[in-house]
Amino acid sequence: DIQMTQSPSSLSASVGDRVTITCRASQSISSYLNWFQQRPGKAPKLLIYSASSLQSGVPSRFSGSGSGTDFTLTISSLQPEDFATYYCQQSYSTPCSFGQGTKLEIK
Amino acid sequence: EVQLVESGGGLVKPGGSLRLSCAASGFTFSTYSMNWVRQAPGKGLEWVSSISSSSSYIYYADSVKGRFTISRDNAKNSLYLQMNSLRAEDTAVYYCARDGGVAVAGSFDYWGQGTLVTVSS
Repeated sequence: DIQMTQSPSSLSASVGDRVTITCRASQSISSYLNWFQQRPGKAPKLLIYSASSLQSGVPSRFSGSGSGTDFTLTISSLQPEDFATYYCQQSYSTPCSFGQGTKLEIK
Repeated sequence: EVQLVESGGGLVKPGGSLRLSCAASGFTFSTYSMNWVRQAPGKGLEWVSSISSSSSYIYYADSVKGRFTISRDNAKNSLYLQMNSLRAEDTAVYYCARDGGVAVAGSFDYWGQGTLVTVSS
């Protein structure tokens, strides 16, 4: 099974900051990497699929990059509604697997 | 509008059973693979099971294999998860999620609001 490791596990930042979250796969997953946002008490929401494709309706301040084993999610200018937990997920093989999550908190 | 609505959660004793349902609307349910994903209190996301559009392909996480059974009724636009021999570690919010297929590289593009399963004596 493929293991997904995110870093950092938590991150403090301010409105307007640029932040980057990284995700590493235990083996190559090509570009089958997705990013989700989860606000407290809510279901996860798809932000990015195929490593860099923005899901419909997601603001352009979110972007993703990477291929193979190393991936990043970047938020160019943090907005108040962006403070949430972010998960990466590989859809390269079954079982799919999620990273442990990165909690983005207000500084 | 795509909607997924889970139901069937609740409090159950260890060793007990529960059947979760997910009612789908707003899309052609019979053409999409579906999944169950769970989240233990304060923890991350864990994929549980998936089923292909025609039920030909079914997969389970090792943690639930032999105890949980996924199924679907395309005529009723519904997804199910039969959970037997429940353990305390199965306590979680259970989400149903649509596999968006090749359009989104197999990611889960729509999720229900979740249903809480608590296993406790």
